[in-house]
Amino acid sequence: AQSVAQPEDQVNVAEGNPLTVKCTYSVSGNPYLFWYVQYPNRGLQFLLKYITGDNLVKGSYGFEAEFNKSQTSFHLKKPSALVSDSALYFCAVEGNNRLAFGKGNQVVVIP
Amino acid sequence: DAGITQSPRYKITETGRQVTLMCHQTWSHSYMFWYRQDLGHGLRLIYYSAAADITDKGEVPDGYVVSRSKTENFPLTLESATRSQTSVYFCASSDRLAGRQETQYFGPGTRLLVL
Repeated sequence: AQSVAQPEDQVNVAEGNPLTVKCTYSVSGNPYLFWYVQYPNRGLQFLLKYITGDNLVKGSYGFEAEFNKSQTSFHLKKPSALVSDSALYFCAVEGNNRLAFGKGNQVVVIP
Repeated sequence: DAGITQSPRYKITETGRQVTLMCHQTWSHSYMFWYRQDLGHGLRLIYYSAAADITDKGEVPDGYVVSRSKTENFPLTLESATRSQTSVYFCASSDRLAGRQETQYFGPGTRLLVL
């Protein structure tokens, strides 16, 4: 069965510094990979996805993610973090008619 | 233009009572999903539906019942609520393209407290 791992529970970063949220995946065949963000008391919002093509995927709010097949990773990145980026981030992989989500990473951007 | 809505947004109930959470989407997406979100567990799939009258179990289906008589609605019923079902419940919908799941879009969630 497909699965993702988000190894860090929380990521702390200073405002203006680069932000990276890590995700590794396990799936049979070509992966469809997704990142979502959840702000407090809100539903999950779609950020970006990788289906095929360029390994660097650009998404909403200045986020991008790099697909690395050899390392089975799909890390989320932002060159310069904002305080408003503080939220819960979920990685997901598609398979068997559903998405398998990671446990989420709490990102805290420190002013 | 509502997209996907859930009702109620907040619910307090007592152990043993039946509770129904509603989900409605306006996109005519074929797939709909119910998740629960709990600290330390992330999102766990309860049930999903590929089309009207087609439903299937997810990771944690026990104690829940779903139905889908219309494409746009996917209610989730807790037949006899237990304290362990206190959680935040999210509904989502998506389409399928070339045999693969497309992006899922989520509702705002229902916070359920079972006393």
